[in-house]
Amino acid sequence: ETGVTQTPRHLVMGMTNKKSLKCEQHLGHNAMYWYKQSAKKPLELMFVYSLEERVENNSVPSRFSPECPNSSHLFLHLHTLQPEDSALYLCASSQDLLAVSRGYTFGSGTRLTVV
Amino acid sequence: GDSVTQMEGPVTLSEEAFLTINCTYTATGYPSLFWYVQYPGEGLQLLLKATKADDKGSNKGFEATYRKETTSFHLEKGSVQVSDSAVYFCALILITSGTYKYIFGTGTRLKVLA
Repeated sequence: ETGVTQTPRHLVMGMTNKKSLKCEQHLGHNAMYWYKQSAKKPLELMFVYSLEERVENNSVPSRFSPECPNSSHLFLHLHTLQPEDSALYLCASSQDLLAVSRGYTFGSGTRLTVV
Repeated sequence: GDSVTQMEGPVTLSEEAFLTINCTYTATGYPSLFWYVQYPGEGLQLLLKATKADDKGSNKGFEATYRKETTSFHLEKGSVQVSDSAVYFCALILITSGTYKYIFGTGTRLKVLA
């Protein structure tokens, strides 16, 4: 399997639930990213990991908790979310941080609905 | 601050029509410029890029030229197909002193009618 794979594709959760989004890449990339895509808004960079170390956290609420156990896997743990957190969550990777000048490889996203 | 501005959509065209989607940018440095495409139910895919002034990126019949004098990177295609219906995102990256900033536009939806 190649590329960036995200699971699940769709997720509906209540505000008191705890769930996790998973991202996996088989490209040998060393940098991975979480983005939030909301309607009519630019993509919002949430977290950046390089060689399993978090290098950027863009003022994201603590109800979102990332985890990068190795360079191929990235998780986003969710708890006590709000309805405004409903969005498409995209995972991306690049060879390394500076290789973003060559562009990202994105996954297909997880469509999250908070009820 | 640094930003990317795209024309609002949706853009609706008939098959084989000429396409232009405008993109302009504001940047303090010298960015690289990108177009990404998002097909329904999918993530973003890199469509083309240009790294310096007057560079032309091209892919799948789409083209965009890096115009430093007008700070623009307009996307064009001579003859669109129904399969081109998607959302198109303009983006820039600025790398300075080992740090980077990646900025996306809000996206322009293209609908191509048979």
